[in-house]
Amino acid sequence: GIQVEQSPPDLILQEGANSTLRCNFSDSVNNLQWFHQNPWGQLINLFYIPSGTKQNGRLSATTVATERYSLLYISSSQTTDSGVYFCAVELMYSGGGADGLTFGKGTHLIIQP
Amino acid sequence: ETGVTQTPRHLVMGMTNKKSLKCEQHLGHNAMYWYKQSAKKPLELMFVYNFKEQTENNSVPSRFSPECPNSSHLFLHLHTLQPEDSALYLCASSLRRAGEAFFGQGTRLTVV
Repeated sequence: GIQVEQSPPDLILQEGANSTLRCNFSDSVNNLQWFHQNPWGQLINLFYIPSGTKQNGRLSATTVATERYSLLYISSSQTTDSGVYFCAVELMYSGGGADGLTFGKGTHLIIQP
Repeated sequence: ETGVTQTPRHLVMGMTNKKSLKCEQHLGHNAMYWYKQSAKKPLELMFVYNFKEQTENNSVPSRFSPECPNSSHLFLHLHTLQPEDSALYLCASSLRRAGEAFFGQGTRLTVV
């Protein structure tokens, strides 16, 4: 199956710092999503970004599908940004029906005041 | 609120019990999913339903039994579970294949 690798696995930053999280995947995909998992376990949608660049406030993401990677940028970090960030992909193939997402192991981000 | 609601939020059950997890989506989506997140493994796909038909069973033990009576509801029936089945169970839905998926709040299951 498809492999999804996220780096770094852990990241500790001071409030106000910027960060870049990376997601590499091993095959062609037609869905890529970034999520933030809150302390209660819920996955919060950040970006649906199979290709291109998107921005939402202090967060932005870029996916270069031809090179099989995606980047999540967090600027001016706040303590509320702490948590686990997941990248997830859905494999591209010609069959019908949904396949579901394959997740990376996540990046555990801690923002210190 | 993402439009996907899971109940219960927490569940403690004995190994001989039978219980069910419920998921409901109000987004008009056609695909629904069960995922499992345990301490020792990353989030993993369990089952996929498209238009009420099961299209994926990711080698899940038969003690987990999914049911999708309509496109808006998804159940996960549990029986004779093991302590290692303790995990966070997440439901998700998407409009179509490769569409953006939205997740419920999860059910944190403890098997004693």
